[in-house]
Amino acid sequence: EAEVAQSPRYKITEKSQAVAFWCDPISGHATLYWYRQILGQGPELLVQFQDESVVDDSQLPKDRFSAERLKGVDSTLKIQPAELGDSAMYLCASSPLYNEQFFGPGTRLTVL
Amino acid sequence: RKEVEQDPGPFNVPEGATVAFNCTYSNSASQSFFWYRQDCRKEPKLLMSVYSSGNEDGRFTAQLNRASQYISLLIRDSKLSDSATYLCVVARYSTLTFGKGTMLLVSP
Repeated sequence: EAEVAQSPRYKITEKSQAVAFWCDPISGHATLYWYRQILGQGPELLVQFQDESVVDDSQLPKDRFSAERLKGVDSTLKIQPAELGDSAMYLCASSPLYNEQFFGPGTRLTVL
Repeated sequence: RKEVEQDPGPFNVPEGATVAFNCTYSNSASQSFFWYRQDCRKEPKLLMSVYSSGNEDGRFTAQLNRASQYISLLIRDSKLSDSATYLCVVARYSTLTFGKGTMLLVSP
């Protein structure tokens, strides 16, 4: 069964360092999402791509976060510099247009 | 007011019990509704979609009341394996908004 791949699964970094997360969606899924999930909360959308274009990045803290999906396939989410409050699970999801979203296993980020 | 509100629980029930979760949403323009299940430290997975007519999938029944902006999930004959967090989700076009989730703990 096709799955969304994410790496790394775990990342520990010090504040002010740069971190990057990678996501490979299910083949053929045009829409890709990055979510942040803080412990005890539901996932919150950071950015949504349709192919290589950003559809919604209204909740992305653009002073420190960036996301790209250059060829409309895999995607990278970057944080620079990381802050203590960025500690969370970063989830990637993909979907065919307007259909069920399939989530990857997530990257658990700890900022010290 | 939060867009999607749920009682965080936890709901502690014995095996075999029936348990119900509720959820309210604030955006009347919401188009689609779902329940996702999330196991501890795992990713969310779709449990079922929710329709106004109500829908059932085995031991799980979901109901939507658009007039009251209210969604429910009923689990009958609870199993130990049902222990998880249940996320209420509303969608407008392709954007999902998640509730905080309701934790269910089923004990022997």
